[in-house]
Amino acid sequence: SQTIHQWPATLVQPVGSPLSLECTVEGTSNPNLYWYRQAAGRGLQLLFYSVGIGQISSEVPQNLSASRPQDRQFILSSKKLLLSDSGFYLCAWSSLIAGELFFGEGSRLTVL
Amino acid sequence: GESVGLHLPTLSVQEGDNSIINCAYSNSASDYFIWYKQESGKGPQFIIDIRSNMDKRQGQRVTVLLNKTVKHLSLQIAATQPGDSAVYFCAENNKGYSTLTFGKGTMLLVSP
Repeated sequence: SQTIHQWPATLVQPVGSPLSLECTVEGTSNPNLYWYRQAAGRGLQLLFYSVGIGQISSEVPQNLSASRPQDRQFILSSKKLLLSDSGFYLCAWSSLIAGELFFGEGSRLTVL
Repeated sequence: GESVGLHLPTLSVQEGDNSIINCAYSNSASDYFIWYKQESGKGPQFIIDIRSNMDKRQGQRVTVLLNKTVKHLSLQIAATQPGDSAVYFCAENNKGYSTLTFGKGTMLLVSP
Protein backbone atom coordinates (compact mmCIF):
# COMPACT_ATOMS: atom_id res chain seq x y z
CA SER A 1 0.00 0.00 0.00
CA GLN A 2 1.04 3.57 -0.56
CA THR A 3 2.11 5.81 2.28
CA ILE A 4 3.18 9.41 2.51
CA HIS A 5 5.41 10.85 5.21
CA GLN A 6 6.31 14.41 5.92
CA TRP A 7 8.51 15.91 8.59
CA PRO A 8 9.03 17.60 10.87
CA ALA A 9 5.51 17.57 12.28
CA THR A 10 6.05 20.78 14.21
CA LEU A 11 8.59 23.53 13.72
CA VAL A 12 9.17 26.88 15.43
CA GLN A 13 11.60 29.12 13.60
CA PRO A 14 12.76 32.73 13.97
CA VAL A 15 12.16 35.27 11.22
CA GLY A 16 14.98 35.22 8.70
CA SER A 17 15.97 31.61 9.33
CA PRO A 18 15.94 28.93 6.61
CA LEU A 19 13.34 26.23 6.20
CA SER A 20 13.32 22.71 4.89
CA LEU A 21 10.26 20.47 4.99
CA GLU A 22 10.56 17.05 3.50
CA CYS A 23 8.00 14.67 2.07
CA THR A 24 8.42 11.14 0.77
CA VAL A 25 5.98 8.74 -0.81
CA GLU A 26 6.31 4.97 -0.69
CA GLY A 27 4.58 2.21 -2.57
CA THR A 28 4.09 3.98 -5.88
CA SER A 29 6.14 5.22 -8.82
CA ASN A 30 6.01 8.48 -10.77
CA PRO A 31 3.53 10.19 -8.45
CA ASN A 32 2.38 13.75 -8.94
CA LEU A 33 3.48 15.63 -5.82
CA TYR A 34 2.04 18.75 -4.22
CA TRP A 35 2.66 21.24 -1.44
CA TYR A 36 -0.33 23.01 0.05
CA ARG A 37 -0.49 25.60 2.80
CA GLN A 38 -3.38 26.05 5.18
CA ALA A 39 -3.68 29.20 7.26
CA ALA A 40 -5.77 29.01 10.44
CA GLY A 41 -9.50 28.93 9.66
CA ARG A 42 -8.97 28.77 5.94
CA GLY A 43 -8.93 26.32 3.08
CA LEU A 44 -5.93 24.84 1.35
CA GLN A 45 -3.84 26.90 -1.00
CA LEU A 46 -1.77 25.09 -3.62
CA LEU A 47 1.85 26.25 -3.53
CA PHE A 48 3.73 23.89 -5.83
CA TYR A 49 3.20 20.75 -7.80
CA SER A 50 5.49 18.40 -9.68
CA VAL A 51 4.80 15.77 -12.31
CA GLY A 52 8.36 14.44 -12.46
CA ILE A 53 11.91 14.62 -11.13
CA GLY A 54 13.28 18.14 -11.37
CA GLN A 55 9.98 19.57 -12.64
CA ILE A 56 8.30 22.15 -10.41
CA SER A 57 5.28 24.34 -11.11
CA SER A 58 4.55 27.26 -8.83
CA GLU A 59 1.00 28.41 -8.31
CA VAL A 60 1.63 31.57 -6.32
CA PRO A 61 4.59 33.94 -6.04
CA GLN A 62 6.08 33.71 -2.59
CA ASN A 63 9.06 33.37 -0.33
CA LEU A 64 9.18 29.60 -0.73
CA SER A 65 10.66 27.18 -3.23
CA ALA A 66 10.25 23.49 -3.93
CA SER A 67 12.51 20.79 -5.28
CA ARG A 68 12.11 17.19 -6.34
CA PRO A 69 15.52 15.54 -6.26
CA GLN A 70 14.12 12.02 -6.47
CA ASP A 71 10.96 10.46 -7.88
CA ARG A 72 9.25 10.12 -4.52
CA GLN A 73 10.81 13.00 -2.60
CA PHE A 74 9.48 16.54 -2.46
CA ILE A 75 11.11 19.32 -0.46
CA LEU A 76 9.75 22.72 0.51
CA SER A 77 12.37 25.34 1.32
CA SER A 78 12.95 28.94 2.17
CA LYS A 79 16.18 30.89 2.55
CA LYS A 80 14.68 33.47 4.92
CA LEU A 81 11.37 32.92 6.65
CA LEU A 82 8.78 35.66 7.08
CA LEU A 83 6.10 35.90 9.75
CA SER A 84 3.52 35.34 7.03
CA ASP A 85 5.03 31.93 6.25
CA SER A 86 3.46 30.51 9.42
CA GLY A 87 0.87 27.87 8.71
CA PHE A 88 0.09 24.22 8.30
CA TYR A 89 1.91 22.73 5.32
CA LEU A 90 0.57 19.66 3.65
CA CYS A 91 2.27 17.39 1.17
CA ALA A 92 0.10 15.29 -1.12
CA TRP A 93 0.43 12.86 -3.98
CA SER A 94 -1.74 11.51 -6.76
CA SER A 95 -1.29 8.91 -9.43
CA LEU A 96 -3.83 10.18 -11.95
CA ILE A 97 -4.59 13.35 -13.77
CA ALA A 98 -7.72 14.87 -12.20
CA GLY A 99 -7.70 12.20 -9.54
CA GLU A 100 -7.82 11.88 -5.81
CA LEU A 101 -5.11 13.50 -3.70
CA PHE A 102 -3.65 11.65 -0.73
CA PHE A 103 -2.35 13.92 1.99
CA GLY A 104 0.37 13.57 4.57
CA GLU A 105 -0.19 14.43 8.21
CA GLY A 106 1.06 17.98 7.85
CA SER A 107 3.85 20.14 9.24
CA ARG A 108 2.91 23.02 11.47
CA LEU A 109 5.29 25.95 11.07
CA THR A 110 5.33 28.88 13.46
CA VAL A 111 7.58 31.79 12.57
CA LEU A 112 8.34 34.12 15.49
CA GLY B 1 -4.13 20.93 17.46
CA GLU B 2 -4.49 23.05 14.34
CA SER B 3 -7.15 25.73 14.83
CA VAL B 4 -8.65 25.27 11.39
CA GLY B 5 -12.12 25.63 12.87
CA LEU B 6 -11.83 29.36 13.63
CA HIS B 7 -13.95 31.61 11.42
CA LEU B 8 -15.46 28.64 9.59
CA PRO B 9 -19.16 28.06 9.01
CA THR B 10 -20.31 25.54 11.57
CA LEU B 11 -23.01 22.91 11.44
CA SER B 12 -24.09 21.48 14.80
CA VAL B 13 -26.12 18.28 14.86
CA GLN B 14 -27.15 15.61 17.32
CA GLU B 15 -25.80 12.10 17.10
CA GLY B 16 -28.02 10.02 14.83
CA ASP B 17 -29.24 12.97 12.78
CA ASN B 18 -28.52 13.28 9.08
CA SER B 19 -26.09 16.07 8.15
CA ILE B 20 -25.96 18.05 4.94
CA ILE B 21 -22.91 20.15 4.14
CA ASN B 22 -23.10 22.44 1.15
CA CYS B 23 -20.50 23.87 -1.18
CA ALA B 24 -20.70 26.31 -4.06
CA TYR B 25 -17.94 25.88 -6.62
CA SER B 26 -16.63 28.56 -8.88
CA ASN B 27 -15.73 27.16 -12.27
CA SER B 28 -18.32 25.74 -14.64
CA ALA B 29 -15.49 23.91 -16.44
CA SER B 30 -14.64 21.84 -13.36
CA ASP B 31 -15.09 18.18 -14.11
CA TYR B 32 -14.12 16.43 -10.91
CA PHE B 33 -15.09 17.05 -7.31
CA ILE B 34 -13.99 15.61 -4.01
CA TRP B 35 -15.07 15.88 -0.40
CA TYR B 36 -12.38 15.70 2.26
CA LYS B 37 -12.62 15.37 6.03
CA GLN B 38 -9.96 17.02 8.18
CA GLU B 39 -9.62 16.35 11.88
CA SER B 40 -7.78 18.83 14.04
CA GLY B 41 -4.03 18.81 13.44
CA LYS B 42 -4.19 16.18 10.71
CA GLY B 43 -4.11 16.05 6.95
CA PRO B 44 -7.35 15.87 4.95
CA GLN B 45 -8.79 12.43 4.28
CA PHE B 46 -10.71 11.48 1.17
CA ILE B 47 -14.40 10.82 1.72
CA ILE B 48 -16.02 10.58 -1.69
CA ASP B 49 -15.64 11.94 -5.21
CA ILE B 50 -17.85 12.56 -8.19
CA ARG B 51 -17.26 13.37 -11.84
CA SER B 52 -19.25 15.92 -13.75
CA ASN B 53 -21.06 13.30 -15.82
CA MET B 54 -22.87 12.18 -12.67
CA ASP B 55 -25.27 13.96 -10.34
CA LYS B 56 -25.23 11.58 -7.41
CA ARG B 57 -22.84 9.09 -5.88
CA GLN B 58 -23.22 7.05 -2.74
CA GLY B 59 -20.70 5.61 -0.35
CA GLN B 60 -20.93 4.13 3.09
CA ARG B 61 -23.20 6.53 5.04
CA VAL B 62 -22.27 9.35 2.66
CA THR B 63 -23.85 10.68 -0.50
CA VAL B 64 -22.55 13.43 -2.75
CA LEU B 65 -24.95 15.41 -4.94
CA LEU B 66 -23.82 17.58 -7.82
CA ASN B 67 -25.96 20.27 -9.41
CA LYS B 68 -24.03 21.67 -12.33
CA THR B 69 -26.76 24.12 -13.25
CA VAL B 70 -26.21 26.15 -10.10
CA LYS B 71 -22.64 24.96 -9.45
CA HIS B 72 -23.54 23.37 -6.15
CA LEU B 73 -22.17 20.34 -4.38
CA SER B 74 -23.46 18.76 -1.21
CA LEU B 75 -22.34 16.04 1.16
CA GLN B 76 -24.96 14.11 3.06
CA ILE B 77 -23.92 12.04 6.08
CA ALA B 78 -26.47 9.59 7.37
CA ALA B 79 -26.78 8.76 11.08
CA THR B 80 -24.05 11.22 12.04
CA GLN B 81 -21.69 10.02 14.76
CA PRO B 82 -19.40 11.94 17.16
CA GLY B 83 -16.45 10.61 15.15
CA ASP B 84 -17.74 12.56 12.16
CA SER B 85 -16.89 15.83 13.92
CA ALA B 86 -14.30 17.54 11.74
CA VAL B 87 -13.86 20.21 9.09
CA TYR B 88 -15.18 19.19 5.69
CA PHE B 89 -13.79 20.63 2.46
CA CYS B 90 -15.08 20.40 -1.04
CA ALA B 91 -12.55 20.58 -3.86
CA GLU B 92 -12.88 21.02 -7.61
CA ASN B 93 -10.52 20.22 -10.43
CA ASN B 94 -10.38 22.18 -13.63
CA LYS B 95 -6.71 22.41 -14.48
CA GLY B 96 -5.60 18.83 -14.76
CA TYR B 97 -2.73 17.23 -12.84
CA SER B 98 -5.00 17.06 -9.81
CA THR B 99 -4.50 20.75 -9.03
CA LEU B 100 -7.54 20.84 -6.83
CA THR B 101 -9.05 24.13 -5.70
CA PHE B 102 -10.41 23.84 -2.18
CA GLY B 103 -13.34 25.59 -0.58
CA LYS B 104 -12.96 27.25 2.82
CA GLY B 105 -14.47 24.37 4.74
CA THR B 106 -17.37 23.73 7.10
CA MET B 107 -16.95 22.55 10.65
CA LEU B 108 -19.31 19.75 11.66
CA LEU B 109 -19.92 19.36 15.38
CA VAL B 110 -21.77 16.26 16.51
CA SER B 111 -23.19 16.14 20.01
CA PRO B 112 -23.75 12.78 21.69
